[in-house]
Amino acid sequence: AQSVTQLDSQVPVFEEAPVELRCNYSSSVSVYLFWYVQYPNQGLQLLLKYLSGSTLVKGINGFEAEFNKSQTSFHLRKPSVHISDTAEYFCAVSPMNRDDKIIFGKGTRLHILP
Amino acid sequence: DSGVTQTPKHLITATGQRVTLRCSPRSGDLSVYWYQQSLDQGLQFLIHYYNGEERAKGNILERFSAQQFPDLHSELNLSSLELGDSALYFCASSPQGSPRHEQFFGPGTRLTVL
Repeated sequence: AQSVTQLDSQVPVFEEAPVELRCNYSSSVSVYLFWYVQYPNQGLQLLLKYLSGSTLVKGINGFEAEFNKSQTSFHLRKPSVHISDTAEYFCAVSPMNRDDKIIFGKGTRLHILP
Repeated sequence: DSGVTQTPKHLITATGQRVTLRCSPRSGDLSVYWYQQSLDQGLQFLIHYYNGEERAKGNILERFSAQQFPDLHSELNLSSLELGDSALYFCASSPQGSPRHEQFFGPGTRLTVL
């Protein structure tokens, strides 16, 4: 079975400061990894995903994430945040041997402070 | 706008009742996923249909059922409703049958059970 842990339910950060949203997962098989973003009153939107290859993945809106297999982590980073980044961020995994299943974390709410 | 439409936007009903939520995927997408989002449970995967056939089941209650029609729209039926079923229900569509492909989320249906 797989599980996803997002260690912080809320992260406050000042505008133009860097941010890291943490995601750890547990799985006995290899997984695909995703970050989705949910802006207020909207559905989710894919930010980036890791399927294979380079462990540093770049996504939309200046976000990037690094896959660390030994630490089973997939942390999301942005060097300088904007007010428009205020949203909830979800980490998700999908096992490579089960091409039909996806598990989401509980989400991290990013608050941008002026 | 993701191209996925969901109706109705809001639904208020009473305990014990039955409701139907509708989802129209993006043009050409064969997969439809249903999710439930609540404050205490987070985002829960319910069920996945691919080209009219059920592909995977997640944490879907027996009181809930879904189907995907030949025109690829999908309906989620919730019966014997309980207060705890109050949540935001999302559908998402994808061109392929695997969760490793990007899912495009609709705006959601907010269900309130009184």
